[in-house]
Amino acid sequence: QSALTQPPSASGSPGQSVTISCTGTSSDVGSYNYVSWYQHHPGKAPKLMLYEVTKRPSGVPDRFSGSKSGNTASLTVSGLQAEDEADYYCSSYAGSNNLVFGGGTKLTVL
Amino acid sequence: QVTLKESGPALVKPTQTLTLTCTFSGFSLRSSGMRVGWIRQPPGKALEWLARIDWDDDKFHSTSLKTRLTISKDTSKNQVVLIMTNMDPADTATYYCARMVPGGAWCFDYWGQGTLVTVSS
Repeated sequence: QSALTQPPSASGSPGQSVTISCTGTSSDVGSYNYVSWYQHHPGKAPKLMLYEVTKRPSGVPDRFSGSKSGNTASLTVSGLQAEDEADYYCSSYAGSNNLVFGGGTKLTVL
Repeated sequence: QVTLKESGPALVKPTQTLTLTCTFSGFSLRSSGMRVGWIRQPPGKALEWLARIDWDDDKFHSTSLKTRLTISKDTSKNQVVLIMTNMDPADTATYYCARMVPGGAWCFDYWGQGTLVTVSS
C-alpha cells in the first residue's frame, strides 16, 4: 500500500497556528477513524501525539488537535512553541490488519 | 515506566538474514490487549509498518514483506524478535520496535530509539 501524502514542510511563527494535512484514500483514512499523529525529533524516539483522529494521550498539550474529512486527516498545532519544531508523521489503519504511514512533514517554528 | 530497546547487527550483507531483538520493560506481553510492533524508516523516506505480535500470539505482517518476515515473542525474557530474510540494500533503514496502545487502537504509544541497519557488501 502507498504511503499517505503529507506536505514535506510547514512553518509558523511562535504563537501562530499551523495545520498539517494527511491525505489517503477511501481504503484507509476515509474508511477508519484509526488515524494517528507522531512527533519525531531526529535521534529520539517518535512520540504519539494524537490517536483515533482526535484523542490525545496523557501529557500531550491541548494545543495539538486533530480532525478528519473524507480521505484527509489534519493535525493542528495552536500557539506554536519552539519545542514543536520536529517531523510529524500520520498513520492510518488500512484494513486487513495493515497500517500505512505518511511521508512526514518537517515543521519549522520561525 | 515503559521502555523498549532494539538490538541487532548494524551491518548485514545482501541475501543475509537479519535478526532484531526488542527488549522491553514496564509491561508484559502476557497481559490481555498488549501488542508490540516493528516499524522501519529508510534514510530520508517514510515510516513503514512491518509486523505486529499480540499477547495471544496472533501475528500480523505487512502485505508487501509478508514472505520475508517472521515475528515471535519470548514472554519470559520480555522480548520480541523480528527476522527478515534475503536482505537487500533497499532494506537499509532505522528499525524501531514500539508498543501498541492497549485495547485495539492501531497506533504506538511507546517507541524504542531505533537501530540503524545498513545492508551492504
